[in-house]
Amino acid sequence: GAVVSQHPSWVICKSGTSVKIECRSLDFQATTMFWYRQFPKQSLMLMATSNEGSKATYEQGVEKDKFLINHASLTLSTLTVTSAHPEDSSFYICSAGGSSYSNQPQHFGDGTRLSIL
Amino acid sequence: QQPVQSPQAVILREGEDAVINCSSSKALYSVHWYRQKHGEAPVFLMILLKGGEQKGHDKISASFNEKKQQSSLYLTASQLSYSGTYFCGTVHSGTASKLTFGTGTRLQVTL
Repeated sequence: GAVVSQHPSWVICKSGTSVKIECRSLDFQATTMFWYRQFPKQSLMLMATSNEGSKATYEQGVEKDKFLINHASLTLSTLTVTSAHPEDSSFYICSAGGSSYSNQPQHFGDGTRLSIL
Repeated sequence: QQPVQSPQAVILREGEDAVINCSSSKALYSVHWYRQKHGEAPVFLMILLKGGEQKGHDKISASFNEKKQQSSLYLTASQLSYSGTYFCGTVHSGTASKLTFGTGTRLQVTL
């Protein structure tokens, strides 16, 4: 069964709306979670690393004020796309798992398809 | 920098074999392989942790050449269910747990 749950799976909303996406680890505690974005026919691009109890680490070129990440507990990380615009439409996926230096796999949520009109 | 995969796309008949390569410009700690079906999240296939390590299950196996900073995924006697996009994910020395996904290889298996 799924070990990482992501919600919602699909969002359609108007330009200017803020959208919150949740990522939960179901069977384990995750001090670190990762948020990816994937445009059609492209690879997954890491947006940020979510750290429980501290600030997220953003990849170069990702606006931290636009993509707010909160990791308030060991099982929940949220990504909020603030004032979303059509160019933010994409497939957003979270992952969790993997210890330091990753000899364990990361488990992915089912993804959230975001469409901004 | 993103690992480069080759080929970009391949079409196979059921039963044929394929090799997908993943090449990194940076030193690697480990390589992960995932398969993604259209509209779905990636599904984990395997991890290769040590240089030269080969792993496999069923008819899918992989190798890791640490010195060359490369990994290859081997699909033998392909099945229709193997269709999808394959991504390698690399973990680089000094970047604990952070996966960098490769450019992807689209595989289609036909009858």
